[in-house]
Amino acid sequence: DGGITQSPKYLFRKEGQNVTLSCEQNLNHDAMYWYRQDPGQGLRLIYYSQIVNDFQKGDIAEGYSVSREKKESFPLTVTSAQKNPTAFYLCASSIVGGAGNQPQHFGDGTRLSIL
Amino acid sequence: QQPVQSPQAVILREGEDAVINCSSSKALYSVHWYRQKHGEAPVFLMILLKGGEQKGHDKISASFNEKKQQSSLYLTASQLSYSGTYFCGTATSGTYKYIFGTGTRLKVLA
Repeated sequence: DGGITQSPKYLFRKEGQNVTLSCEQNLNHDAMYWYRQDPGQGLRLIYYSQIVNDFQKGDIAEGYSVSREKKESFPLTVTSAQKNPTAFYLCASSIVGGAGNQPQHFGDGTRLSIL
Repeated sequence: QQPVQSPQAVILREGEDAVINCSSSKALYSVHWYRQKHGEAPVFLMILLKGGEQKGHDKISASFNEKKQQSSLYLTASQLSYSGTYFCGTATSGTYKYIFGTGTRLKVLA
């Protein structure tokens, strides 16, 4: 079955440590996205990528970095510069059709906490 | 700027109807609706494109008022499975960047 796989499901970060969240999709989608969700809040866009080797900052990119070396993969690194990383992180993908007219497919998320 | 959803929360009895609104200050190209169960991934419900169309899926339908930059999600004869948080996602013309609304928590009681 096609879908999006995020790993790990739970992740703990120590102070000053960088951690990487994995996102892999086998839907053959060109566009991929990372969102952060805080308790009781909506989804906020961190980074998005429409094509391999290209990505754009979203609304809250500070303290995060991404890479897009393969179509199927879009890992997110939470750096030590992100002082409040505790949140639920969601990865999504979509077909690149007309802008904004394609649904997003989400992974099951990674819950990140500070030790 | 994040779209504003109203109400923030609603409690229904099974069989009752509900309306959730999503308003944006920007000119929209499309509005997407998603439902998220606690601790799970959001699930896509429907997309509405600029043009003021209305769509339906089973007992859930939505409309898009381009003049007001507002979309409404209609849930009729609600079922227990409708419980969750509903989000609208908006896109402006010429961009692949989606902005999600603040969310509406809906609980259906037996």
